[in-house]
Amino acid sequence: EVQLVESGGGLVQPGGSVRLSCVASGFTFSNYDFHWVRQGPGKGLEWVSTIGTGDDTYYPDSVKGRLTISRENAKNSLFLQMNSLTAGDTAVYYCVREGTGWYFDLWGRGTLVTVSS
Amino acid sequence: EIVMTQSPATLSVSPGERATLSCRASESVSSNLAWYQQKPGQAPRVLMHGASTRATGIPARFSGSGSGTEFTLTISSLQSEDFAVYYCQHYHKRPYTFGQGTKLEIK
Repeated sequence: EVQLVESGGGLVQPGGSVRLSCVASGFTFSNYDFHWVRQGPGKGLEWVSTIGTGDDTYYPDSVKGRLTISRENAKNSLFLQMNSLTAGDTAVYYCVREGTGWYFDLWGRGTLVTVSS
Repeated sequence: EIVMTQSPATLSVSPGERATLSCRASESVSSNLAWYQQKPGQAPRVLMHGASTRATGIPARFSGSGSGTEFTLTISSLQSEDFAVYYCQHYHKRPYTFGQGTKLEIK
């Protein structure tokens, strides 16, 4: 089955760190670009990182320097290292595949990160 | 970055009626525009790409139009399962930004 499964979310203290993981199955992971998209409670979708097939990375200014996206093709895995977390980072984080047509054609179910003391 | 603006924020429509959702880009994105549907507690799924091409498995009552900066998603006869939040997104150049969403609710 073609799918993405995220893990690693949970309750994190302000200023803390967390590493999210996403495991892909059912397709050739190394052939695709991937993204992390987050959604705060009751809010819309916010793109937070991209990694290309050549390990090129992109971030919005709002998270640059705090979030780091990486991938390990041998394990069909995508990661998001999140540091210096604040309440504003509380969200469901989705792992997303960018299809051959450049739109986001496959989404995971998401993992919830809650930043609170 | 390209700013995507959706209107209206909330649209109230009766089942069986037609719904028209709008999306505007701050600069031309050609036809590099996708629409996503999100139901409560679920991940988004792609409905439309290339502004007017339905994704696999999407019913024909969904149609998309537009190019450049103005886009429309039309649902011809609303079914109960269509009440959800809809997002547009451009993929013309990085970063691929989303609109703020339109909530389609039952009237």
